Amino acid sequence: GAVVSQHPSWVICKSGTSVKIECRSLDFQATTMFWYRQFPKQSLMLMATSNEGSKATYEQGVEKDKFLINHASLTLSTLTVTSAHPEDSSFYICSASEGSNYGYTFGSGTRLTVV
Amino acid sequence: AQSVTQPDIHITVSEGASLELRCNYSYGATPYLFWYVQSPGQGLQLLLKYFSGDTLVQGIKGFEAEFKRSQSSFNLRKPSVHWSDAAEYFCAATGSGGSNYKLTFGKGTLLTVNP
Repeated sequence: GAVVSQHPSWVICKSGTSVKIECRSLDFQATTMFWYRQFPKQSLMLMATSNEGSKATYEQGVEKDKFLINHASLTLSTLTVTSAHPEDSSFYICSASEGSNYGYTFGSGTRLTVV
Repeated sequence: AQSVTQPDIHITVSEGASLELRCNYSYGATPYLFWYVQSPGQGLQLLLKYFSGDTLVQGIKGFEAEFKRSQSSFNLRKPSVHWSDAAEYFCAATGSGGSNYKLTFGKGTLLTVNP
């Protein structure tokens, strides 16, 4: 079946630094990728939707200059948290879709801790 | 506004007992519906999905869900719960037409299984 690899699974960084999270579709072409943020014991909040080769569409309230999303190829999307602060600490999950088949495959998530 | 509601935040059942997790949706038209399971610190795994047709959907791990249009519900069931079923369960929906593939998630139901 479809597999999405998300890396790293966890990262600790210092406040003010930037962190990049990768999301790769291993056996299919992901025309659309989604990035979510999940706070402890809460649901997933969609941050942005990205289509290969296009600029990401951010949800209301999400700072696009802080959360940079790149979807340069059909198998790779990256989320860069710039100038991270402790309040950015969270669990980030990506999801990839082949398009209109409504098949969403999720990565295993990245636990970001900013100290 | 489109929404997915999971009325139960936390459910505890005994191993071997039956399980039903509730999900209600509010959409302009019948959406596509999904149930996902999340183990701690992990991504989401698809249990089953409903697009159209037979309103009783079979999924993996012995789960099934029934779509009831009159009640705007898509409840998840399992006849006999195993200890390994303890996890967080999310109901999700997306529009069935156009180019909007964004998933809307419920807040999740945490399932605890007692021995």
